[in-house]
Amino acid sequence: AQSVTQPDIHITVSEGASLELRCNYSYGATPYLFWYVQSPGQGLQLLLKYFSGDTLVQGIKGFEAEFKRSQSSFNLRKPSVHWSDAAEYFCAVGGLAAGNKLTFGGGTRVLVKP
Amino acid sequence: DSGVTQTPKHLITATGQRVTLRCSPRSGDLSVYWYQQSLDQGLQFLIQYYNGEERAKGNILERFSAQQFPDLHSELNLSSLELGDSALYFCASSGGPPGGIQYFGAGTRLSVL
Repeated sequence: AQSVTQPDIHITVSEGASLELRCNYSYGATPYLFWYVQSPGQGLQLLLKYFSGDTLVQGIKGFEAEFKRSQSSFNLRKPSVHWSDAAEYFCAVGGLAAGNKLTFGGGTRVLVKP
Repeated sequence: DSGVTQTPKHLITATGQRVTLRCSPRSGDLSVYWYQQSLDQGLQFLIQYYNGEERAKGNILERFSAQQFPDLHSELNLSSLELGDSALYFCASSGGPPGGIQYFGAGTRLSVL
């Protein structure tokens, strides 16, 4: 069965500092990996995705993520955080073997200090 | 704006009642997915429809059912509601090949009192 673990429930970061959110997945075939962001009271917005190819993927809002097959990880990074990045971030795995359903991690809530 | 429309945004009802949540997918998307987000279970996949046919089922209770209509909109029906059904229900749609990107609506927040 597929699963996603986001080890950090909360992260507090100062504005302008770098951010890294961890994601580990378990999937029996070639995974499709996603990061979504949810602002308070909002839906889920796709930040970036990995299907194949270059293991470093760029997304919106200055985010990037690196797929490391050997570590079953897909960590999200941003070099300099803005106050508007305060939100909850979800890593998800899906793929053909799963019939395209997404399995989400528990989420990481990011707080940004001024 | 993802292009996925969910109505209503909020729903307050009582235990034992039945409600219907509606989802209009992005133009041209054939697949519709339903997810439930609750504090104790997190985000969980419920069910998927593709061009009117059920494709996959997740942790969906027997009291819940869904369908996708010829115009591709979908409805999620929740019956015999319990307090524990209070949650945010998301609809997502995707087009193109399997494994494609799912775009999420803003969700329907259901409160069962």
